[in-house]
Amino acid sequence: NAGVTQTPKFRILKIGQSMTLQCTQDMNHNYMYWYRQDPGMGLKLIYYSVGAGITDKGEVPNGYNVSRSTTEDFPLRLELAAPSQTSVYFCASSYSGIEKPQETQYFGPGTRLLVL
Amino acid sequence: AQSVSQHNHHVILSEAASLELGCNYSYGGTVNLFWYVQYPGQHLQLLLKYFSGDPLVKGIKGFEAEFIKSKFSFNLRKPSVQWSDTAEYFCAVHNAGNMLTFGGGTRLMVKP
Repeated sequence: NAGVTQTPKFRILKIGQSMTLQCTQDMNHNYMYWYRQDPGMGLKLIYYSVGAGITDKGEVPNGYNVSRSTTEDFPLRLELAAPSQTSVYFCASSYSGIEKPQETQYFGPGTRLLVL
Repeated sequence: AQSVSQHNHHVILSEAASLELGCNYSYGGTVNLFWYVQYPGQHLQLLLKYFSGDPLVKGIKGFEAEFIKSKFSFNLRKPSVQWSDTAEYFCAVHNAGNMLTFGGGTRLMVKP
């Protein structure tokens, strides 16, 4: 299994541009997550999904959108990039989530985004 | 809402020194506790977790953590660190009905 894969690894955007961060998992996990990691702040949950067609906001959803049309894919879209969105973005997945909080989350390698 | 605090943002140790990284959480109910590690240039991976039973949990690479319920703590320990332990360490808490919450992370540098 490849686990959780993310593309691109690194991207520079100009203010106001849009882009989609891709995330795919091949473990047949129901739950998928998007986090952003800022220095000294740990990981903050942006959006999550409990299954295909179902998404919900996390702690910091403003400026982002997600969709989940398949079990495997969970893209994150930035519509109007802002400097505050400069961060490292991690996608993660788990078989279950809220109802079984002992489940481990598996993380992708991350996408480093710089907005200038 | 639950929260997680990691007191040390940066720790520098020499090889063979002992390590203890602090983690405290705020939630009064049943919790599941995790330590994740992020080696330079790599993704987060699970180091160890606690969800029930023996409060002393052993993980990979010689790490262990002790859950002390009365202190709301889940400190990570290793008796003798190696240069290859240089990484960022994240404590996280998860309980039913909430999402996984991470602490701010501790950057560990081990000098050879």
